[in-house]
Amino acid sequence: EAGVAQSPRYKIIEKRQSVAFWCNPISGHATLYWYQQILGQGPKLLIQFQNNGVVDDSQLPKDRFSAERLKGVDSTLKIQPAKLEDSAVYLCASSFSRELGAFFGQGTRLTVV
Amino acid sequence: GENVEQHPSTLSVQEGDSAVIKCTYSDSASNYFPWYKQELGKGPQLIIDIRSNVGEKKDQRIAVTLNKTAKHFSLHITETQPEDSAVYFCAASGEKLTFGTGTRLTIIP
Repeated sequence: EAGVAQSPRYKIIEKRQSVAFWCNPISGHATLYWYQQILGQGPKLLIQFQNNGVVDDSQLPKDRFSAERLKGVDSTLKIQPAKLEDSAVYLCASSFSRELGAFFGQGTRLTVV
Repeated sequence: GENVEQHPSTLSVQEGDSAVIKCTYSDSASNYFPWYKQELGKGPQLIIDIRSNVGEKKDQRIAVTLNKTAKHFSLHITETQPEDSAVYFCAASGEKLTFGTGTRLTIIP
C-alpha cells in the first residue's frame, strides 16, 4: 500500500513570497490533515478535511494560509505572504476515518529567509 | 479544546532497560489515543494505539496503558534497543487529533 505522498520535500523562499504544498493521501482515506511542526515541538493541527469538506480549521491563520481538497482526494496548502515564523515542517496525514490512526507523509521543510 | 501534556521531554535509558513515557489529556470526550515515533527527517510513524474502552494493549516490546478516570495514558518500551532512539509523541483524539510536546528517547549502548 502506497503511503502519503508530499511534495516538495524542501522549499526555501523569501519573506512575503508565496508557496504551495501538495499532498496525495492513502487511497480510500476520507480524512486528511495538515499539521505544522516547528523544530522541537509537537505537530499542530492547521486544518482537517472529511472528504472535501472542512471539519476543523480553527488554528489556520486564514489571513495568509489557505487549503483545499479537490474532489476529496489530493490537497494543497498555500501560504501567501510568508513570514519568518512560518519556517517549519508541514506534515500531511490521512486516515480512513477520524476514529482511526492517521498516517503521515515525510513532510515539507519550509525555510523563510 | 483538548490539551495533551507529555513527560519527560528527554529520556536516556541503558540498552536493555525499560522506558516509560507518560501523558495526560484534558477532554473527557477523547476516545482514541495513538502513539507516534518520529525519526530525524521523517514524518511521525504510528506505532501503537488504544481506545477508551480498553485499559491496556501490548505489541511485542511495546505496551500502552490508559486510565480514563485520571485521564492518563502511558507508553512502555521493554528490552530497549538502539533503534528505539527517536522522538515519541502521544496524541488524543475526540473531534480532532491533538499531539503532546514529544519525548526524545536516547538508548545508550
